[in-house]
Amino acid sequence: KAGVTQTPRYLIKTRGQQVTLSCSPISGHRSVSWYQQTPGQGLQFLFEYFSETQRNKGNFPGRFSGRQFSNSRSEMNVSTLELGDSALYLCASSLAQGAPDEQYFGPGTRLTVT
Amino acid sequence: TQLLEQSPQFLSIQEGENLTVYCNSSSVFSSLQWYRQEPGEGPVLLVTVVTGGEVKKLKRLTFQFGDARKDSSLHITAAQPGDTGLYLCAGVEGNNRLAFGKGNQVVVIP
Repeated sequence: KAGVTQTPRYLIKTRGQQVTLSCSPISGHRSVSWYQQTPGQGLQFLFEYFSETQRNKGNFPGRFSGRQFSNSRSEMNVSTLELGDSALYLCASSLAQGAPDEQYFGPGTRLTVT
Repeated sequence: TQLLEQSPQFLSIQEGENLTVYCNSSSVFSSLQWYRQEPGEGPVLLVTVVTGGEVKKLKRLTFQFGDARKDSSLHITAAQPGDTGLYLCAGVEGNNRLAFGKGNQVVVIP
């Protein structure tokens, strides 16, 4: 069974640009959560999607948004990039909504903002 | 937000030595998880502890959940280079989000 896949794996953007990251969950998993990981703050929850609806949201500005498609694949978008957005963005999938202790993580997308 | 403090932040030991890392909080968690993350990869779940005082073993790794369910420890016996990685603890918050500590970076030198 294939694991969680994320594309692209690496990305370099310039301040002010926007970026879209993609996540394909494990087959059969319907919940996708996104996290930002930085050395200073560690792993921080961004949002969770289930059945194409955002079910939970972390404390990030509105520049961070996401969506989920009918096949459970999810994208997250960051607009007007800032230097501080440089981070590893991880997505995690689970079978059910609100099951954070049954998540499987992808390898992440390393975003560098210059 | 319930904070999880992990200590030490960084630990470097020789192969064959034992080590213990800690995860502490002032809040009670219904369960705590431990993950290991290797460079360029996402975290991989090692274990979930649920009951206060619970001890779980995974080969040379021993995980303990504190009696009050506020803290946990991970002990590695006879560490090997393959144990190198960032060990993360995480607890489920009341709003059903997973809150992570910043991790214990462990380096095992051959």
